[in-house]
Amino acid sequence: SQTIHQWPATLVQPVGSPLSLECTVEGTSNPNLYWYRQAAGRGLQLLFYSVGIGQISSEVPQNLSASRPQDRQFILSSKKLLLSDSGFYLCAWSSWGGTEAFFGQGTRLTVV
Amino acid sequence: GESVGLHLPTLSVQEGDNSIINCAYSNSASDYFIWYKQESGKGPQFIIDIRSNMDKRQGQRVTVLLNKTVKHLSLQIAATQPGDSAVYFCAEGPISGGGADGLTFGKGTHLIIQP
Repeated sequence: SQTIHQWPATLVQPVGSPLSLECTVEGTSNPNLYWYRQAAGRGLQLLFYSVGIGQISSEVPQNLSASRPQDRQFILSSKKLLLSDSGFYLCAWSSWGGTEAFFGQGTRLTVV
Repeated sequence: GESVGLHLPTLSVQEGDNSIINCAYSNSASDYFIWYKQESGKGPQFIIDIRSNMDKRQGQRVTVLLNKTVKHLSLQIAATQPGDSAVYFCAEGPISGGGADGLTFGKGTHLIIQP
């Protein structure tokens, strides 16, 4: 069966520090991969998605970037965090050609 | 623009009663709908989905109803249990294999189970 791992679960970082959140998927090949941000009381906002290694699409202008160095690895990064980057970040995958998203457990990021 | 929303932000029900969570959508072109359950501090879990060529689909203790005429989606949970306490949200999008980037998510309804 397919599983998705996302870490860390919580992270407290100072303003101006770098960020690296990692997500890996097991049990499937060539998945579509996604990074979402979930703000309290708001719906999920798609940040990035990837249909293959090295292929990244950005949905919103922001202080973050994403990379996909391997087929089942997706990384969310920032060179310098802002206070407004605080939030709950979710990685997800879907099968190639599939529409439903399957989510990781999320990372609670607090920028102080 | 098109949006997906929920009628009620919080729903409180007695343990053992049935729960009905509602969702309105405005994109008449959407032909695929999903319900997710999200427990506090965790990622959303896929519960059940339905395609636009159906008006009802049943799972284990859950039923999703789709009314395309009024663009309304509902999730019914039978005999609610304490473990059902969570935020439930719907998502809608195309079924055309474009990937989950085509999904639009609602804000969610917080279901609270009273003992």
